[in-house]
Amino acid sequence: DTGVSQNPRHKITKRGQNVTFRCDPISEHNRLYWYRQTLGQGPEFLTYFQNEAQLEKSRLLSDRFSAERPKGSFSTLEIQRTEQGDSAMYLCASGGGTEAFFGQGTRLTVV
Amino acid sequence: AQSVTQLGSHVSVSEGALVLLRCNYSSSVPPYLFWYVQYPNQGLQLLLKYTSAATLVKGINGFEAEFKKSETSFHLTKPSAHMSDAAEYFCAVSYGNNRLAFGKGNQVVVIP
Repeated sequence: DTGVSQNPRHKITKRGQNVTFRCDPISEHNRLYWYRQTLGQGPEFLTYFQNEAQLEKSRLLSDRFSAERPKGSFSTLEIQRTEQGDSAMYLCASGGGTEAFFGQGTRLTVV
Repeated sequence: AQSVTQLGSHVSVSEGALVLLRCNYSSSVPPYLFWYVQYPNQGLQLLLKYTSAATLVKGINGFEAEFKKSETSFHLTKPSAHMSDAAEYFCAVSYGNNRLAFGKGNQVVVIP
């Protein structure tokens, strides 16, 4: 297993467009997390899955954001009608014990 | 709500000198504590973690941290800085479900 994989690594989109990111966790991990990191800040929690169930969502996750994890494997994070304020690094992590392992992130730039 | 405080966004250290990064958490219940390192345009890599076992925790790359309940602290140290230690360091806290709350981070600059 090569760790948590995120695609794409970079995405540039025009304001108002929809974007979708994918995360492939470490295969034996049943927990999957999405975080958002803006410049000069620590990552902020967005949402959490245990297997296919989305158990927690941050209030940072507005109605324009949706995340899925069909069959408890990979996960997607979709942002509809992107805004410039959505520009950030989106990080995915997976875990099965007491620690989380992070992917390399998807950097979104909204122009 | 759980929170973590890291003071001093930028930390400069001379090569070979002690690296000390401070982290304080706010909780009456001892949490799990973590230090992560992030290189430019990369994800986060775990340096070390405290999960209620030994209070002095050794991690990768020569880093260690000591959990002090009385001070609600989990400061990160390395005896001798190396140029490759230049990166951003984050302290984080969780309560067992891996959901992490991060501090704002310390950008470490190593001066030759």
